[in-house]
Amino acid sequence: AQSVTQPDIHITVSEGASLELRCNYSYGATPYLFWYVQSPGQGLQLLLKYFSGDTLVQGIKGFEAEFKRSQSSFNLRKPSVHWSDAAEYFCAVVQPGNTGKLIFGQGTTLQVKP
Amino acid sequence: SAVISQKPSRDICQRGTSLTIQCQVDSQVTMMFWYRQQPGQSLTLIATANQGSEATYESGFVIDKFPISRPNLTFSTLTVSNMSPEDSSIYLCSVETGPFFGPGTRLTVL
Repeated sequence: AQSVTQPDIHITVSEGASLELRCNYSYGATPYLFWYVQSPGQGLQLLLKYFSGDTLVQGIKGFEAEFKRSQSSFNLRKPSVHWSDAAEYFCAVVQPGNTGKLIFGQGTTLQVKP
Repeated sequence: SAVISQKPSRDICQRGTSLTIQCQVDSQVTMMFWYRQQPGQSLTLIATANQGSEATYESGFVIDKFPISRPNLTFSTLTVSNMSPEDSSIYLCSVETGPFFGPGTRLTVL
């Protein structure tokens, strides 16, 4: 069965420091990959997505993610974290051609220290 | 990107009652999706709603508990029936483009 693993439940970084959130997937073929952010009391906002092509994907709010087929990973990065980035981050996958039926990881809570 | 709205944004309901959640999209879409996010948990797909056909439910979700309507290409409703405290969750609708999500409906069942 398809699955998504976010190994880090909770991460704390200092404001201005770099950030990397990990995501690994288990799938028979390369799925479509997504990162979402959920601020407290808010809905989900799409940060970026990967379907094919260049494995380094740029998203909104200064985020980027790199797809590594050999590692079945799609890690999210940001060079300098802002206090407003504190939120819950979800990695998700979907079978190509089945867009919309997302399988989510358990999420990573990001805390930003001043 | 699609703009998705949901009503109500939150509600507190009594055990045994039902609540209907509305989802409105600002453009026509073929498929709409309903997800549940239980407290402190990730999102789980409940069902896929296609206009003009019966909704397709994921394992563990049944139509009697979560009836869904899809009367046109911009609107869908999800009803949570005969509610119990275990139904306390955030319910979100989404569309295949993006996929983008609505702001969610936070349901508390007492």
